[in-house]
Amino acid sequence: EVQLVESGGGLVQPGGSLRLSCVVSGFTFSANYMSWVRQAPGKGLEWVAKINQDESEKDYVDSVKGRFTISRDNAKNSLFLQMNSLRAEDAALYYCVRGGSFFPQWGQGTLVTVSS
Amino acid sequence: EIVLTQSPGTLALSPGERATLSCRASQSVSGSNLAWYQQKPGQAPRLLIFGASSRATGIPDRFSGSGSGTDFTLTISRLEPEDFAVYYCQHYGSSPWTFGQGTKVEIK
Repeated sequence: EVQLVESGGGLVQPGGSLRLSCVVSGFTFSANYMSWVRQAPGKGLEWVAKINQDESEKDYVDSVKGRFTISRDNAKNSLFLQMNSLRAEDAALYYCVRGGSFFPQWGQGTLVTVSS
Repeated sequence: EIVLTQSPGTLALSPGERATLSCRASQSVSGSNLAWYQQKPGQAPRLLIFGASSRATGIPDRFSGSGSGTDFTLTISRLEPEDFAVYYCQHYGSSPWTFGQGTKVEIK
């Protein structure tokens, strides 16, 4: 059974930082692109970042470039998103997803709230 | 950035009816690199269609996708009770990948 389990969300003040994690099982993590997709409460979906198998290729939506960093640890089947200089508009449910183009598997998400 | 516009915003239909959802791109989507997802309340999205017309694993054949260039369609041939949900299109032709705003299919 494929599982993607996110953690690390929470309440943070504007300008603060959070590091999201995702532990994967049920497929060969090291052979797959991975991405993060977010969804603000009651809103639609937004692709945030993607990473290839060996971290040599990373891409981000413009709104997070220079503030967010995607990374992975293939030995631990884990995906990360370091989020710095958080803004109110970054508040969302962050999904860890398999794939770098379309997304066949999704986690249940971890909620990030940005508020003073 | 390619902007995807979905229509209608809401589609009110009865079980057994046919649903036709539209996704229009602001510029041509290369390689028909378009996907469709279904999302139910409190759940993560589920991939239905990729490559504009290929069904994902386990997706019933009442779901079909078509289109190319700037105009894409998701068709649900006969709505089942579990099909009432929000549907999103997403392109992956050129970065950044973007999603449409969604179409809600609700029970009439």
